[in-house]
Parts: sequence; structure tokens; C-alpha cells
Amino acid sequence: QLQLQESGPGLVKPSETLSVTCSVSGGSISSSHFYWTWIRQPPGKGLEWIGSVFYTGTTNYNASLESRVTISVDTSKNQFSLKLTSVSAADTALYYCARDDSYDYPGFDHWGPGILVTVSS
Amino acid sequence: DIVMTQSPATLSLSPGERATLSCRASRSISTYMAWYQQRPGQAPRLLIFDASKRAPGIPARFSGSGSGTDFTLTITSLDPEDFAVYYCQSRVTWPRTFGQGTRLEIK
Repeated sequence: QLQLQESGPGLVKPSETLSVTCSVSGGSISSSHFYWTWIRQPPGKGLEWIGSVFYTGTTNYNASLESRVTISVDTSKNQFSLKLTSVSAADTALYYCARDDSYDYPGFDHWGPGILVTVSS
Repeated sequence: DIVMTQSPATLSLSPGERATLSCRASRSISTYMAWYQQRPGQAPRLLIFDASKRAPGIPARFSGSGSGTDFTLTITSLDPEDFAVYYCQSRVTWPRTFGQGTRLEIK
């Protein structure tokens, strides 16, 4: 059973860098069928796709965040990570990692429970 | 970018009733779309992929239809656990985009 789990600081100061990691268990991150994705949800609001990474390191980003976002993959640890620079209160959100299946069940078919990251001094 | 517009924003129904949720894409996306359910305090769950195919473990009362720009999620005979927020999502290309959600609430 595939499981994803986010980890990282729950509090980040304004102008600093948000860093969260997603650990994948029960399956390999090194598959040609999947993109590994970050999605966020501000409190009480909808879902926003941040970006996705392929196991080779190829990335796709939301244009509205692209100048501040880096998503990377570490196949040796079966993990992928999100870095968001120069954060502000608008970046306070529940951050989810998810698997984007392009083969069996096209869609975000597995999700982590989410990690709440608050931007505040 | 593909803009996904959902309607209505809120739908108030009673258990046992039928729910019809709509999603419109800003341009044709064939059937490259998915529906998700998000219950309070939980991560979203994939319900429907390729516009009309149920994901594993999803009850048969959930069905999806549509192609091109107009899509519908239908829930026949609402169960109390179905009252949640539903999102549609385009996956025809990058970026992946979500609709703003429809809240299905108990009347």
C-alpha cells in the first residue's frame, strides 16, 4: 500500500524559505508512470497545484510561483522536496504531496495527510 | 492555462436525494479530467478519472460524464458521508488546474 508523508517545519518567518519533504513508502519513486506533486490549500480555501517532478528530475511549475519554487527528487531516499523562497503570510497553507498517475488511474491517486505551514514572525 | 469553473458553489440537499455537480473547462480538454472529494480534515480523494471512470473502491453511486468542455459528477441517493467539498481538475496538459470547488451540504 503506497503511503506518502510530509515533514518539515510548521512555522516559517516572512521572507525566509519554506522547505518540506515527502517520504514515499510502499512503492518506488523511480517509475515512468508517475509525477510527484505538491499541492497547497490555504485555510478555508481551494486547492492550488504548485508543481510536479519526474523521477529523472524533470519539473513543471505553476507559473504564478515559478520564480520562488524548486521541487527536487532524491531517488536514493525515495523522497521529493519542495522549497519556496521569500515567503509571506499568503503562503500559509496546508501543503500536500501527491502522486500524479499518468497510467493506471490518471489523476492524483495517492495523497499525504498534509502539513500545515504557517508564515509568521 | 485551462480554467475550470464549477457550479454551484454550494448545493444543499438531503440524504437520499440525487446530486448533480457541474464543471466547465475554458477550452476543450477531451476527457482528460478528474473529480475529487474532500471531507473535513482530510486530504482529497480521487473519485473519477478520465471524466467517467471510477477510481478503485469508489461506490457505484458516484458517476461522471461529459467531454470537451462540460462535465458532470452525479451522486445518486446521497449518503451522509457524501457531504463534503468536490473539486474537478484538468490534466490535459501543464499546469494542472483545479476548479474552485462545490460544497455539498446537508439541507
